[in-house]
Amino acid sequence: ETGVTQTPRHLVMGMTNKKSLKCEQHLGHNAMYWYKQSAKKPLELMFVYSLEERVENNSVPSRFSPECPNSSHLFLHLHTLQPEDSALYLCASSFSGRPSGANVLTFGAGSRLTVL
Amino acid sequence: ILNVEQSPQSLHVQEGDSTNFTCSFPSSNFYALHWYRWETAKSPEALFVMTLNGDEKKKGRISATLNTKEGYSYLYIKGSQPEDSATYLCASPRGTYKYIFGTGTRLKVLA
Repeated sequence: ETGVTQTPRHLVMGMTNKKSLKCEQHLGHNAMYWYKQSAKKPLELMFVYSLEERVENNSVPSRFSPECPNSSHLFLHLHTLQPEDSALYLCASSFSGRPSGANVLTFGAGSRLTVL
Repeated sequence: ILNVEQSPQSLHVQEGDSTNFTCSFPSSNFYALHWYRWETAKSPEALFVMTLNGDEKKKGRISATLNTKEGYSYLYIKGSQPEDSATYLCASPRGTYKYIFGTGTRLKVLA
């Protein structure tokens, strides 16, 4: 295990459902990230939390709602999604602070989401 | 727009062959260059963090070089093995929390 755990690993939901993705790390990292990975596209940053405060929000539709209750847990709440939101959602964590170049990301294995 | 480009997109090699891939990144405001290895159904794992022009890092049969002036890094695998089959990602940190990823090179090593 990498130290970052994501659940569920697979999720199928209808467009009217509400579901949540969960991410947990016990590495002592103080920054947590949500990335979206669509086929043949680079990893796309969605949200970043540092010390439980949101520091990046990359123009993500409001049907995706992040929550970071503490430095070890990160959620992505999903509601009224569209079929084009089907993708792999990766959580990552790192230490934060400059210089950023040395702050390597530790990833979870991802949650594969299918929206019908 | 800052892009990170990787080539080739995919690659099939025979066991025992040596191979290399390229990552091109914006050379301005350089912080570092990361390489990750991503096996199917697993987590991407960090291979190398490279920060200095001319850096060369090695982990077993895998090595990487860095040219920050021209904005490229090479990843080399010597004597490829089937367990090297994975997608290799590079990422360019741009700011404290922003990492720009390439689309990856998917390597398949045939036994």
